[in-house]
Amino acid sequence: GENVEQHPSTLSVQEGDSAVIKCTYSDSASNYFPWYKQELGKGPQLIIDIRSNVGEKKDQRIAVTLNKTAKHFSLHITETQPEDSAVYFCAANRNSGGSNYKLTFGKGTLLTVNP
Amino acid sequence: DTAVSQTPKYLVTQMGNDKSIKCEQNLGHDTMYWYKQDSKKFLKIMFSYNNKELIINETVPNRFSPKSPDKAHLNLHINSLELGDSAVYFCASSQDVQGAYNEQFFGPGTRLTVL
Repeated sequence: GENVEQHPSTLSVQEGDSAVIKCTYSDSASNYFPWYKQELGKGPQLIIDIRSNVGEKKDQRIAVTLNKTAKHFSLHITETQPEDSAVYFCAANRNSGGSNYKLTFGKGTLLTVNP
Repeated sequence: DTAVSQTPKYLVTQMGNDKSIKCEQNLGHDTMYWYKQDSKKFLKIMFSYNNKELIINETVPNRFSPKSPDKAHLNLHINSLELGDSAVYFCASSQDVQGAYNEQFFGPGTRLTVL
């Protein structure tokens, strides 16, 4: 099955700095890589995603890069703000049989943005 | 206007009891999921239903029995609760499981504590 490794497990930055979270995946058949943000006491929420035929995608202060050859993808947050503080999960989606797909999540990164 | 709702939000019970968690989505999605998030925030899929049909059944003890009366509802019944069942359980939905790029929408979670 798919295995997704995520680093670091915790990340503390000063407001205004950039934050980078990295993930690797094991199954080369995975073709979709979403990132979810989980605020305290809430469910995860999709913030950005990237498909396997794209190398980079940007949405305002967040961007994601994908290196299919190396099987790794990263989340970049620029100009961090205190409200960016949360747990971030990377995930990889692969076919789980027939035409069904399954998400495998990384173990999460607790990002703390200090004012 | 809640998209994915779960009840109850908190559930405290004794070992050996049987309990249920209910989930409803009003997004018109075909696919619903149950995830378990342990104390280390690790998010792992348990079950997936597509249009009331079980699609994904991870290696979950058979004390856990999902039931989908219709495609907008997916309930989770747990028999003979054990200490290790303590976790936050998230319900999620997506347009369908047969699309590789479908966003999953998560509910607010149910924190289950087994004493």
